Amino acid sequence: DAGVTQSPTHLIKTRGQQVTLRCSPKSGHDTVSWYQQALGQGPQFIFQYYEEEERQRGNFPDRFSGHQFPNYSSELNVNALLLGDSALYLCASSLQDRRYQPQHFGDGTRLSIL
Amino acid sequence: DQQVKQNSPSLSVQEGRISILNCDYTNSMFDYFLWYKKYPAEGPTFLISISSIKDKNEDGRFTVFLNKSAKHLSLHIVPSQPGDSAVYFCAASARDNQGGKLIFGQGTELSVKP
Repeated sequence: DAGVTQSPTHLIKTRGQQVTLRCSPKSGHDTVSWYQQALGQGPQFIFQYYEEEERQRGNFPDRFSGHQFPNYSSELNVNALLLGDSALYLCASSLQDRRYQPQHFGDGTRLSIL
Repeated sequence: DQQVKQNSPSLSVQEGRISILNCDYTNSMFDYFLWYKKYPAEGPTFLISISSIKDKNEDGRFTVFLNKSAKHLSLHIVPSQPGDSAVYFCAASARDNQGGKLIFGQGTELSVKP
């Protein structure tokens, strides 16, 4: 049973560039959430996708955008990268109609901005 | 506004003894609470959860206690093992949040000494 997979594992970019991160949810899951984890902090919710639409959004600027595909996989795009965007980006998957079931996380993409 | 707080950044325990990790929350709409464990270079792994209709949930060596009046939950690990050494995150989601967006604490780093 494949868990949540994310690619790439590491990425180095410079300020002003754009980046795309990818996520495949756990088999059977239909909802994907993205989180940003800065060093020494807990993960912070960016947004959630279900039925190919953004359903919820955290306190992140419009530079952060996403997409969900018909096979439930998802992308996170960040434009005009800032030094402060350096973080671990985590993808989590779940079932939309299972309110009291845990989200399952991938191993993340470590993004470094130079 | 930190709605979920883990006030102890670190905890050191002897192997075989009990580890107690604490978490406080402020939002009375939270009705589902989870603990995740995170090793370096890996994503958070789900450990145990509890809904607000219960005050205790056990799974093997792990027990979570919920005190709704104090808005406090704790994770007990008995007996502690060196392999339990990791960062532990407390997370919560609100009943008015169908998608189950998670709010995380800052984490507590547990070190279990042989």
